[in-house]
Amino acid sequence: NAGVTQTPKFQVLKTGQSMTLQCAQDMNHEYMSWYRQDPGMGLRLIHYSVGAGITDQGEVPNGYNVSRSTTEDFPLRLLSAAPSQTSVYFCASSYSPGGAGETQYFGPGTRLLVL
Amino acid sequence: DAKTTQPNSMESNEEEPVHLPCNHSTISGTDYIHWYRQLPSQGPEYVIHGLTSNVNNRMASLAIAEDRKSSTLILHRATLRDAAVYYCILSLSNDYKLSFGAGTTVTVRA
Repeated sequence: NAGVTQTPKFQVLKTGQSMTLQCAQDMNHEYMSWYRQDPGMGLRLIHYSVGAGITDQGEVPNGYNVSRSTTEDFPLRLLSAAPSQTSVYFCASSYSPGGAGETQYFGPGTRLLVL
Repeated sequence: DAKTTQPNSMESNEEEPVHLPCNHSTISGTDYIHWYRQLPSQGPEYVIHGLTSNVNNRMASLAIAEDRKSSTLILHRATLRDAAVYYCILSLSNDYKLSFGAGTTVTVRA
C-alpha cells in the first residue's frame, strides 16, 4: 500500500492564483480530511469528508473548497490564493468516520508559499 | 470541547526512558486518548491510543490515571529518531475529528 499520497510536495503561487492540492489513499478509507499547519503551531482542520459525495467544514474553511467524487481522492482547491494561506497542508484518512478509537493516517504534506 | 495540557518541551538522553505527561481534566467518559508524533518535515504519525486501561505497543506505552484526568506516554528507550513533537489528543466520542494543540517538543541528546 502507498498509504496517503499528496501532490505536489511544494508549490509557489502568486496572490490571486488558484490551484488544487491532490490527496489520494489506497486503503479504502471512508473518512478523509485536510489540515493546515502554520509555523510553530499545531494542525487545524480545514474540511473533511465521511464518504464519497459527503463533505463538511472544519475549523478554518474560508478560502478553500473540497469535493469527494470517489473514495480514493479528496482534492483541496484554493480559490484565490492569499499570503495568509502560506502553510503546510496535510491530508489524512481513516477507516470509518465513526468510532472515537480510529487511527488516522497522514500524508507527507504539501508546502505552499503564496507571494 | 475537552482540552489537553502538555509541557512545551522535554529533553532526554539517548537510551533513557521518556515520560510525557498530558492533563485532560475535562475528559468525558467515552473520549479516547490518542498520541501522535510529528518528526521534522513529516506528517503526524499514530503512536498509541487508549480508553481506560494502560496500553502497550511496539512504539510506546500509555499509562492512564484511574480518574482518566491525566495520562503519560512512555518511550522506553529514547533514540535520536524519537526526536519529534508529541501530541496528546482527545478523540471525542461523538466526533471523529482530531484537535491538535501545540504538543511537546522532545529533544534527545546523544
